[in-house]
Amino acid sequence: RKEVEQDPGPFNVPEGATVAFNCTYSNSASQSFFWYRQDCRKEPKLLMSVYSSGNEDGRFTAQLNRASQYISLLIRDSKLSDSATYLCVAPKRNTDKLIFGTGTRLQVFP
Amino acid sequence: GAVVSQHPSWVICKSGTSVKIECRSLDFQATTMFWYRQFPKQSLMLMATSNEGSKATYEQGVEKDKFLINHASLTLSTLTVTSAHPEDSSFYICSARDLNRDGLGYTFGSGTRLTVV
Repeated sequence: RKEVEQDPGPFNVPEGATVAFNCTYSNSASQSFFWYRQDCRKEPKLLMSVYSSGNEDGRFTAQLNRASQYISLLIRDSKLSDSATYLCVAPKRNTDKLIFGTGTRLQVFP
Repeated sequence: GAVVSQHPSWVICKSGTSVKIECRSLDFQATTMFWYRQFPKQSLMLMATSNEGSKATYEQGVEKDKFLINHASLTLSTLTVTSAHPEDSSFYICSARDLNRDGLGYTFGSGTRLTVV
């Protein structure tokens, strides 16, 4: 089983829609997780950190479900500019290395 | 703050030649830098951890003699792809960690797109 798994999508949604992505992880000892956004042919950029209590930043909400070992990212009122690949990231146990999921591609259309 | 500069952003080279990629932390010191590789429609895969003043630590399956890493200062790490072949064509991204930032402080370079012909 991969350490971090995501549905690759693509998720095609109209502007204004609400969309949610899930990511499952295998290392139950992980304390924190991250969502990164990666545009085509660009480097990933940190979108949000995800802690036990969850996190909300404007239209974006990230939550952690430890019992089921998954994290989620909810995007409300989707914009065209939200079109990108969203990467779920977890630190590797006892290291400072990051493990990336394969990413979920989101395409928002007019 | 926390800017990582990666150069070149793209390079085309002939099979059998070597290519050097530079990664610089511009406004912070990075004792550790990370090198990733990303093939089309795949995720970032960690290749190696570059440690200032010591040998790099390579991930399983990554040939250390092919991917030479040098981290001679606190602001510069280089990755040299030696005797490049078409299968080495990929997107190479470096990352450095600024311990003074949130989110574990990882900042990524803009990546280098390598095409070996």
